[in-house]
Amino acid sequence: DAGVTQSPTHLIKTRGQQVTLRCSPKSGHDTVSWYQQALGQGPQFIFQYYEEEERQRGNFPDRFSGHQFPNYSSELNVNALLLGDSALYLCASSQPLDSVNTEAFFGQGTRLTVV
Amino acid sequence: LAKTTQPISMDSYEGQEVNITCSHNNIATNDYITWYQQFPSQGPRFIIQGYKTKVTNEVASLFIPADRKSSTLSLPRVSLSDTAVYYCLVGDTGPDSGAGSYQLTFGKGTKLSVIP
Repeated sequence: DAGVTQSPTHLIKTRGQQVTLRCSPKSGHDTVSWYQQALGQGPQFIFQYYEEEERQRGNFPDRFSGHQFPNYSSELNVNALLLGDSALYLCASSQPLDSVNTEAFFGQGTRLTVV
Repeated sequence: LAKTTQPISMDSYEGQEVNITCSHNNIATNDYITWYQQFPSQGPRFIIQGYKTKVTNEVASLFIPADRKSSTLSLPRVSLSDTAVYYCLVGDTGPDSGAGSYQLTFGKGTKLSVIP
């Protein structure tokens, strides 16, 4: 059983460009959350998707947007990239909300470098 | 969301028991305490979760006093492979929390270094 998979693993972009990161949740999971982790910091919650809708959002600007597809996979889009967007972007998936198991499973992340 | 305070770093020798304490004075009634482990360039991995008293699994134990204002993660007989950052999280992430389960709030964590 594959866990959470993210692509690409590494990415280099130029300021002002746009980027799309992808995530496939663990089998049986329907909820996907995205986190940004700057060097030396803990992960910071960006937003969560469930039933193809954004359900919760952290303190991130509208340049950060996302999408969830019918197969529960998800994309994170960042527009007008800034140098400060350089970070490890993590995707986490979880079981359906009525499950007693609330453990979040994280992928390996996408390392984004903005130059 | 309750704020947590934990040591920035800890060192331990192989084979010793390691205890990492986390303070969470403003914990709410519905809040659970969860610990995650993160290795460099990898995503965090769930270790253990508890509400009160003691929880034990194959990896660690979690001790929570009656007032729930702190908790201690105990790692028995650590090895070099336990070198990682350990995060203490407090939030409404229990089995009945619904949609709030997965907005996890991470601090800076405790960097544990295991020495041979």
